[in-house]
Amino acid sequence: NAGVTQTPKFQVLKTGQSMTLQCAQDMNHEYMSWYRQDPGMGLRLIHYSVGAGITDQGEVPNGYNVSRSTTEDFPLRLLSAAPSQTSVYFCASSYGGGELLAEQYFGPGTRLTVT
Amino acid sequence: AQRVTQPEKLLSVFKGAPVELKCNYSYSGSPELFWYVQYSRQRLQLLLRHISRESIKGFTADLNKGETSFHLKKPFAQEEDSAMYYCALSSGNTPLVFGKGTRLSVIA
Repeated sequence: NAGVTQTPKFQVLKTGQSMTLQCAQDMNHEYMSWYRQDPGMGLRLIHYSVGAGITDQGEVPNGYNVSRSTTEDFPLRLLSAAPSQTSVYFCASSYGGGELLAEQYFGPGTRLTVT
Repeated sequence: AQRVTQPEKLLSVFKGAPVELKCNYSYSGSPELFWYVQYSRQRLQLLLRHISRESIKGFTADLNKGETSFHLKKPFAQEEDSAMYYCALSSGNTPLVFGKGTRLSVIA
């Protein structure tokens, strides 16, 4: 199993540009989430999905869109990049809710810089 | 609202010294608490969870509901323990809430 994969690893955008961060998992996990990691802020939840066709907002959803058309994929779209979105983005997945949810498997991260 | 507080951004200890990474939480129900670790240039991974009552890499953590704490402890720190540690809380079917993290630096 490849686990949770993310592409690209690094990206530089100009303000106003849009792009999609890709996330895929091959473990048949129902739950998938996107976090951003900023110095001194820890990990903050952007969006999450409890199954194909179902998404919900996390703590910091503004400026991001998600969709979950398949169990395997959970792309994160930046609509109009802003310097405040410079961060490291992590995708995570888990089997299900409750205790199972907590054992999340993380991707390697995407380091995004917006100039 | 759920909240996880890790009061120390950075903790430096000498090799062989005891380590305690503090974590406090606020949640009105019965929480499930976890510690995640991120070593340099690696992805986050689950270190341990309170429900398992296990010791991983010499680390233990006890849930104290009275003090709403879940401190991570190790009696003798090793250089390879240097990493970023995150305490996290789960309240059932909602995604994990993470603390801001503590960077542990073990000095040789």
